Amino acid sequence: DAGVIQSPRHEVTEMGQEVTLRCKPISGHNSLFWYRQTMMRGLELLIYFNNNVPIDDSGMPEDRFSAKMPNASFSTLKIQPSEPRDSAVYFCASTPYGGVSYEQYFGPGTRLTVT
Amino acid sequence: AQTVTQSQPEMSVQEAETVTLSCTYDTSESNYYLFWYKQPPSRQMILVIRQEAYKQQNATENRFSVNFQKAAKSFSLKISDSQLGDTAMYFCAFMMNSGGSNYKLTFGKGTLLTVNP
Repeated sequence: DAGVIQSPRHEVTEMGQEVTLRCKPISGHNSLFWYRQTMMRGLELLIYFNNNVPIDDSGMPEDRFSAKMPNASFSTLKIQPSEPRDSAVYFCASTPYGGVSYEQYFGPGTRLTVT
Repeated sequence: AQTVTQSQPEMSVQEAETVTLSCTYDTSESNYYLFWYKQPPSRQMILVIRQEAYKQQNATENRFSVNFQKAAKSFSLKISDSQLGDTAMYFCAFMMNSGGSNYKLTFGKGTLLTVNP
Protein backbone atom coordinates (compact mmCIF):
# COMPACT_ATOMS: atom_id res chain seq x y z
CA ASP A 1 0.00 0.00 0.00
CA ALA A 2 1.55 3.28 -1.12
CA GLY A 3 2.13 5.89 1.52
CA VAL A 4 1.76 9.64 1.15
CA ILE A 5 3.54 10.76 -1.99
CA GLN A 6 5.16 14.15 -2.32
CA SER A 7 6.87 15.75 -5.26
CA PRO A 8 9.39 17.01 -5.88
CA ARG A 9 11.67 15.66 -3.15
CA HIS A 10 14.03 18.59 -3.59
CA GLU A 11 13.44 21.99 -5.13
CA VAL A 12 15.95 24.76 -5.63
CA THR A 13 14.66 28.03 -6.97
CA GLU A 14 15.55 31.68 -7.12
CA MET A 15 13.88 34.37 -5.09
CA GLY A 16 10.77 35.68 -6.78
CA GLN A 17 9.94 32.47 -8.61
CA GLU A 18 6.73 30.53 -8.14
CA VAL A 19 7.04 27.18 -6.40
CA THR A 20 4.42 24.43 -6.39
CA LEU A 21 4.64 21.45 -4.06
CA ARG A 22 2.44 18.43 -4.65
CA CYS A 23 0.94 15.78 -2.43
CA LYS A 24 -1.04 12.61 -2.99
CA PRO A 25 -2.59 11.34 0.27
CA ILE A 26 -3.15 7.70 1.11
CA SER A 27 -6.22 6.39 -0.69
CA GLY A 28 -9.28 6.59 1.55
CA HIS A 29 -7.83 9.24 3.83
CA ASN A 30 -10.07 12.26 4.04
CA SER A 31 -7.94 14.67 6.03
CA LEU A 32 -4.78 16.23 4.62
CA PHE A 33 -2.23 18.43 6.34
CA TRP A 34 0.63 20.64 5.20
CA TYR A 35 3.49 21.23 7.65
CA ARG A 36 6.67 23.27 7.42
CA GLN A 37 9.83 22.30 9.31
CA THR A 38 12.67 24.72 10.02
CA MET A 39 15.45 24.75 12.57
CA MET A 40 14.17 27.94 14.14
CA ARG A 41 10.46 27.21 14.36
CA GLY A 42 10.31 23.42 14.33
CA LEU A 43 7.26 21.72 12.81
CA GLU A 44 4.38 24.06 12.11
CA LEU A 45 0.97 23.25 10.71
CA LEU A 46 0.24 25.48 7.73
CA ILE A 47 -3.21 24.31 6.68
CA TYR A 48 -5.39 21.26 6.74
CA PHE A 49 -8.35 19.94 4.78
CA ASN A 50 -11.25 17.66 5.65
CA ASN A 51 -12.98 16.14 2.64
CA ASN A 52 -11.16 18.57 0.34
CA VAL A 53 -12.41 21.61 2.29
CA PRO A 54 -9.88 23.86 4.04
CA ILE A 55 -10.66 23.78 7.77
CA ASP A 56 -7.84 25.75 9.37
CA ASP A 57 -5.40 27.91 7.43
CA SER A 58 -4.30 30.02 10.39
CA GLY A 59 -0.76 28.72 10.03
CA MET A 60 -0.32 29.99 6.48
CA PRO A 61 2.36 32.65 6.90
CA GLU A 62 1.12 35.22 4.42
CA ASP A 63 -0.68 35.80 1.18
CA ARG A 64 2.23 34.46 -0.81
CA PHE A 65 1.19 30.99 0.33
CA SER A 66 -1.86 29.22 -1.03
CA ALA A 67 -3.08 25.63 -0.88
CA LYS A 68 -5.70 23.74 -2.83
CA MET A 69 -7.23 20.31 -2.77
CA PRO A 70 -9.24 19.90 -5.98
CA ASN A 71 -10.04 16.25 -5.26
CA ALA A 72 -9.50 13.56 -2.66
CA SER A 73 -6.26 12.36 -4.19
CA PHE A 74 -4.31 15.55 -4.82
CA SER A 75 -3.24 18.74 -3.09
CA THR A 76 -0.87 21.57 -3.90
CA LEU A 77 0.94 24.15 -1.84
CA LYS A 78 2.03 27.16 -3.84
CA ILE A 79 4.40 29.95 -2.92
CA GLN A 80 4.38 33.01 -5.14
CA PRO A 81 6.71 34.84 -5.06
CA SER A 82 9.19 32.75 -3.11
CA GLU A 83 11.68 34.27 -0.67
CA PRO A 84 14.85 32.89 0.96
CA ARG A 85 13.05 32.66 4.33
CA ASP A 86 10.70 30.11 2.78
CA SER A 87 13.56 27.62 2.66
CA ALA A 88 12.41 24.64 4.71
CA VAL A 89 11.21 21.08 4.51
CA TYR A 90 7.51 20.89 3.68
CA PHE A 91 5.61 17.80 4.76
CA CYS A 92 2.24 16.55 3.71
CA ALA A 93 0.34 14.14 5.97
CA SER A 94 -3.00 12.39 5.79
CA THR A 95 -5.34 10.56 8.13
CA PRO A 96 -8.74 8.87 7.78
CA TYR A 97 -11.48 11.30 8.70
CA GLY A 98 -13.24 9.89 11.72
CA GLY A 99 -10.52 7.33 12.18
CA VAL A 100 -10.02 5.90 15.63
CA SER A 101 -6.25 6.00 15.70
CA TYR A 102 -5.74 9.67 14.80
CA GLU A 103 -2.34 8.76 13.46
CA GLN A 104 -1.12 11.12 10.79
CA TYR A 105 0.84 9.45 8.03
CA PHE A 106 3.59 11.68 6.74
CA GLY A 107 5.10 11.89 3.30
CA PRO A 108 8.87 12.03 2.79
CA GLY A 109 8.86 15.81 2.58
CA THR A 110 10.04 18.34 0.01
CA ARG A 111 13.22 20.20 0.80
CA LEU A 112 12.84 23.69 -0.62
CA THR A 113 15.83 25.99 -1.05
CA VAL A 114 15.23 29.54 -2.21
CA THR A 115 18.39 31.41 -3.20
CA ALA B 1 -3.72 27.60 22.56
CA GLN B 2 -1.90 24.44 23.36
CA THR B 3 1.87 24.38 23.77
CA VAL B 4 4.28 21.47 23.91
CA THR B 5 7.70 21.78 25.51
CA GLN B 6 10.65 19.44 25.15
CA SER B 7 13.34 20.71 27.46
CA GLN B 8 16.15 18.44 26.25
CA PRO B 9 17.45 19.58 22.83
CA GLU B 10 19.95 16.71 22.72
CA MET B 11 20.56 13.46 24.55
CA SER B 12 22.86 10.50 24.13
CA VAL B 13 22.77 6.95 25.40
CA GLN B 14 24.88 3.85 25.10
CA GLU B 15 23.57 0.97 23.10
CA ALA B 16 21.45 -1.45 25.19
CA GLU B 17 20.83 1.11 27.91
CA THR B 18 17.61 2.92 28.80
CA VAL B 19 16.87 6.56 28.14
CA THR B 20 13.94 8.82 28.98
CA LEU B 21 12.88 11.82 26.92
CA SER B 22 10.80 14.51 28.61
CA CYS B 23 7.74 16.36 27.36
CA THR B 24 5.35 18.73 29.06
CA TYR B 25 2.31 20.38 27.58
CA ASP B 26 -0.13 23.08 28.48
CA THR B 27 -3.83 22.83 27.80
CA SER B 28 -7.15 23.60 29.43
CA GLU B 29 -8.77 20.66 27.68
CA SER B 30 -9.48 17.41 29.49
CA ASN B 31 -9.85 15.15 26.48
CA TYR B 32 -6.93 14.88 24.10
CA TYR B 33 -4.28 12.65 22.57
CA LEU B 34 -0.53 12.66 22.92
CA PHE B 35 2.00 11.24 20.50
CA TRP B 36 5.69 10.62 20.12
CA TYR B 37 7.00 10.78 16.57
CA LYS B 38 10.47 9.77 15.45
CA GLN B 39 12.38 11.43 12.62
CA PRO B 40 15.54 9.54 11.62
CA PRO B 41 18.16 11.05 9.30
CA SER B 42 16.03 9.89 6.37
CA ARG B 43 13.64 12.70 7.37
CA GLN B 44 10.60 10.40 7.43
CA MET B 45 8.19 11.08 10.32
CA ILE B 46 7.22 7.84 12.03
CA LEU B 47 4.69 7.37 14.82
CA VAL B 48 6.31 5.70 17.83
CA ILE B 49 3.52 5.61 20.40
CA ARG B 50 0.15 7.17 21.19
CA GLN B 51 -1.71 7.87 24.46
CA GLU B 52 -5.34 8.77 24.97
CA ALA B 53 -5.77 11.19 27.87
CA TYR B 54 -8.81 9.37 29.21
CA LYS B 55 -6.81 6.18 29.68
CA GLN B 56 -4.95 5.88 32.95
CA GLN B 57 -2.80 3.00 31.74
CA ASN B 58 0.47 4.03 30.16
CA ALA B 59 0.88 3.01 26.53
CA THR B 60 3.58 0.51 25.58
CA GLU B 61 4.94 -0.53 22.20
CA ASN B 62 7.70 -3.11 22.46
CA ARG B 63 10.78 -1.27 23.76
CA PHE B 64 8.95 2.06 23.92
CA SER B 65 6.75 3.11 26.81
CA VAL B 66 5.38 6.34 28.18
CA ASN B 67 4.91 7.81 31.63
CA PHE B 68 1.73 9.86 31.36
CA GLN B 69 1.07 12.13 34.30
CA LYS B 70 -2.14 13.99 33.46
CA ALA B 71 -2.24 16.24 36.52
CA ALA B 72 1.34 17.30 35.94
CA LYS B 73 0.77 17.54 32.17
CA SER B 74 3.80 15.41 31.57
CA PHE B 75 4.33 12.78 28.87
CA SER B 76 7.79 11.22 28.88
CA LEU B 77 9.06 8.52 26.52
CA LYS B 78 11.21 5.67 27.78
CA ILE B 79 13.28 3.67 25.33
CA SER B 80 14.61 0.40 26.72
CA ASP B 81 17.48 -1.61 25.29
CA SER B 82 18.46 1.28 23.00
CA GLN B 83 19.55 0.33 19.51
CA LEU B 84 21.65 2.20 16.98
CA GLY B 85 18.57 2.52 14.79
CA ASP B 86 16.88 4.56 17.51
CA THR B 87 19.17 7.47 16.67
CA ALA B 88 16.74 10.16 15.54
CA MET B 89 14.96 13.37 16.41
CA TYR B 90 11.98 12.66 18.66
CA PHE B 91 8.95 14.92 18.69
CA CYS B 92 6.23 15.06 21.27
CA ALA B 93 2.85 16.14 19.88
CA PHE B 94 -0.60 17.06 21.19
CA MET B 95 -4.03 16.75 19.58
CA MET B 96 -7.35 17.83 21.03
CA ASN B 97 -10.17 15.33 20.98
CA SER B 98 -12.93 17.39 19.46
CA GLY B 99 -15.27 14.62 18.44
CA GLY B 100 -13.49 13.64 15.27
CA SER B 101 -13.51 16.94 13.46
CA ASN B 102 -10.17 18.50 14.33
CA TYR B 103 -6.97 16.58 13.87
CA LYS B 104 -4.55 19.46 14.33
CA LEU B 105 -1.22 18.37 15.80
CA THR B 106 0.94 20.72 17.88
CA PHE B 107 4.56 19.62 18.05
CA GLY B 108 7.37 20.27 20.49
CA LYS B 109 10.74 21.44 19.19
CA GLY B 110 12.19 17.96 19.39
CA THR B 111 14.98 16.07 21.17
CA LEU B 112 17.90 14.74 19.16
CA LEU B 113 18.77 11.31 20.52
CA THR B 114 22.08 9.70 19.64
CA VAL B 115 22.68 6.04 20.48
CA ASN B 116 26.37 5.31 20.79
CA PRO B 117 27.89 1.88 20.12
